[in-house]
Amino acid sequence: GAVVSQHPSRVICKSGTSVKIECRSLDFQATTMFWYRQFPKQSLMLMATSNEGSKATYEQGVEKDKFLINHASLTLSTLTVTSAHPEDSSFYICSAGSHRGGASYEQYFGPGTRLTVT
Amino acid sequence: KQEVTQIPAALSVPEGENLVLNCSFTDSAIYNLQWFRQDPGKGLTSLLLIQSSQREQTSGRLNASLDKSSGRSTLYIAASQPGDSATYLCAVLNQAGTALIFGKGTTLSVSS
Repeated sequence: GAVVSQHPSRVICKSGTSVKIECRSLDFQATTMFWYRQFPKQSLMLMATSNEGSKATYEQGVEKDKFLINHASLTLSTLTVTSAHPEDSSFYICSAGSHRGGASYEQYFGPGTRLTVT
Repeated sequence: KQEVTQIPAALSVPEGENLVLNCSFTDSAIYNLQWFRQDPGKGLTSLLLIQSSQREQTSGRLNASLDKSSGRSTLYIAASQPGDSATYLCAVLNQAGTALIFGKGTTLSVSS
């Protein structure tokens, strides 16, 4: 249980185009989903927190107009990188938060999406 | 602002050794602490989660301890194997459950 999927796993796009990444919780509902970015040999940095049906909360330094987040349902959140540039190339990982079975709160992570902008 | 530090940044050991990875955090007001494993180019695999009220968790050859008052956690790996080679990340969740802060990780290499 507690499976989170991401699609696509890898994407290469040209500079100036937009890319959408999907994050799905497959066997549970997640009112909150998180988006992280990881540069080579660096740790994960939280980009934004999205709550179903409301606007995302972005971390300081993350451009909300560049990284559009939509959380339209309890099982799906999307991250759209608009007008991508080579410096946006990174590993993007989502997670979904849940109190499974009334137990403690935990975030379950997707497998990540490798974005390369040429 | 919560900061998580992991020491050492890298570690190389021969197969069979027992080893300890260290994690420290600056704000003791946490909900839980979690250890993850990350293989190169891959996502995260959760290894152990310790609630703030707990002292340790064990899974197979792994044992994680938590001393919240001193802001420290250790991950103990017994009888290391080449398959244990990966980056190990420590992360703390704030009490509101809104932010999971990661350390930079310890990259472990176990030679056969």
